[in-house]
Amino acid sequence: GENVEQHPSTLSVQEGDSAVIKCTYSDSASNYFPWYKQELGKRPQLIIDIRSNVGEKKDQRIAVTLNKTAKHFSLHITETQPEDSAVYFCAALFTNFGNEKLTFGTGTRLTIIP
Amino acid sequence: EADIYQTPRYLVIGTGKKITLECSQTMGHDKMYWYQQDPGMELHLIHYSYGVNSTEKGDLSSESTVSRIRTEHFPLTLESARPSHTSQYLCASSELGAGGYTFGSGTRLTVV
Repeated sequence: GENVEQHPSTLSVQEGDSAVIKCTYSDSASNYFPWYKQELGKRPQLIIDIRSNVGEKKDQRIAVTLNKTAKHFSLHITETQPEDSAVYFCAALFTNFGNEKLTFGTGTRLTIIP
Repeated sequence: EADIYQTPRYLVIGTGKKITLECSQTMGHDKMYWYQQDPGMELHLIHYSYGVNSTEKGDLSSESTVSRIRTEHFPLTLESARPSHTSQYLCASSELGAGGYTFGSGTRLTVV
């Protein structure tokens, strides 16, 4: 079945440094890869996504890269700030007999050290 | 404002009680989902629906049931709550073909 692996499970980064979270997926037909940020006590929120027809997408300090051949994608946060502390989830869209749903990674708890 | 709403936000109930967690969305999305999540941990899909009168079980076995009689409404029912049901329940919705989900704020359930 579909599978998304996410690493690392926890990550501590000094404020101002960069953070990278990596995910791999199993279904080569997947074509949509969103990232969600969940702050303590709040709902997961979409922060950036990428479709399979591009290799990289940026939005200010956040970027996502996709390597379809290797079936992996990564989230890059530059110039980290305390408000970046949260749990981050990657996901991949799988299609089964015309029905599509996201499979989520297991999450990365990112802590920014002031 | 178009959004997805869950009630109640917090619920403490006794073992054996029947409860229904409400989820409504005003975005006109066809697809809706229920996830179980211990705080900050993995998201486990327990039910989903692709439209009215469509419901499917998710990846995580659950003793709950769902119904989808109206597009905007996707309630989850536990017939007999147990302490093992203590968790956070997140509802989400998405548009067919669009991919991204919008999550509700969740219901934090405690069964004593």
